[in-house]
This record gives sequence, structure tokens and C-alpha cells, in this order.
Amino acid sequence: DTGVSQDPRHKITKRGQNVTFRCDPISEHNRLYWYRQTLGQGPEFLTYFQNEAQLEKSRLLSDRFSAERPKGSFSTLEIQRTEQGDSAMYLCVLWRGDTGELFFGEGSRLTVL
Amino acid sequence: KQEVTQIPAALSVPEGENLVLNCSFTDSAIYNLQWFRQDPGKGLTSLLLIQSSQREQTSGRLNASLDKSSGRSTLYIAASQPGDSATYLCAVGGTDSWGKLQFGAGTQVVVTP
Repeated sequence: DTGVSQDPRHKITKRGQNVTFRCDPISEHNRLYWYRQTLGQGPEFLTYFQNEAQLEKSRLLSDRFSAERPKGSFSTLEIQRTEQGDSAMYLCVLWRGDTGELFFGEGSRLTVL
Repeated sequence: KQEVTQIPAALSVPEGENLVLNCSFTDSAIYNLQWFRQDPGKGLTSLLLIQSSQREQTSGRLNASLDKSSGRSTLYIAASQPGDSATYLCAVGGTDSWGKLQFGAGTQVVVTP
């Protein structure tokens, strides 16, 4: 148990549709990250939150992507007008501040047809 | 820009042999280095975290070394078991980017009974 719950675990959608992923940390963590992983590659950083503030966004995060963490606990990642290139695993990650260790959720796999 | 390389991309060994997985990085100014395991369709599980001031970390059959000056880390898994079959990823954290890791593409390991 990594302490990170992600929903849905798998989403299949048609090109052009909007999708939203949710991440629920079991315990409180100040920092929450979103990463994306495509087949055969390591995860790539997308964005992160310090409490409710979104402090950094990768160039990978086009304007079709939006992430929120309204109360500094759970977070959502929305992708508008999905494209086939958005097909990937979206991973929510918690950061343990005292050691720098990261804890990954099981991920939400997106398939865009 | 930090680049992380893992060689080989895939490895197959008979049960009982020791595993040696390599990771190299281009910028030695790192905050830490973390090794992860990923099973098919799953998220990442943290195995070992090495702070930049450390030379190695050990956990059970796993030992990871870090040589910042040469930009290398090695993960040793002693007496491999079929349950060790997975993809192993290394990730480097920069000094100015806590939690924002640069990942290698991973080494896919198969341990045959």
C-alpha cells in the first residue's frame, strides 16, 4: 500500500472527449506530483502542488491539461479534447520531505481511440 | 539538461544468479538517486534511495551504489528469484527540483526458474 489511491484505474475514450483523473492521498502530504508514463519509457514530470498551490508545470502540460488541488488534499487532472498522443499512464506521486523519497500510486491508464 | 540512461534495456538470468543493473547520468549535481521496481500495468515501488552524500544503500538482497563523480549507480540483486522479474528504473533528483525526478527508461528483468 503506497498511500495513494487513483481513480479510475483505466479509462478508454474517443478522441476529442474530456477525461478527469483523481488522486486521493491516504495521509497528509504537502507535496503532490503528477507524472506521465508511456509504454517502454520512464515516467515524465508533469506538475506539482505544494498544498493547494500549483508551483511548477512541465512543457509537456499543454493548455488542454489542467490540474487542481482545491483543499490541499486530493487532486484532479483533467485533459480536454483528448488526442491519441495522450494515451499513457498518469501517475500521482507523494513526496516524503524528510528523505526526498517518492511514493507512486498505481496510476490511471488512458487509452484514446 | 539531465539525461539518465539504463543499460541493458532487457536482461534474462537463471534463478540464483546475481543481477547487476546499471544507471548513468550526465549531470553530477544531484540531490539524490532512487531505484524503483515496476510490475506490468502497475505503479512504481521504491526500492532504495541514496542521498547525494552517500555511497551506497542496502536492503535485504538489494544493494545500490552511487558514484557521483563518474555519474553512475549500480543496483545489485543477490541470488535472484523468479519473483524479481520486473522492470527496474533509476531516477535522479536535481538539487533545485525536489521530487521532480529524471527517469531512465528502465531495465526489464526476467529471472527464469
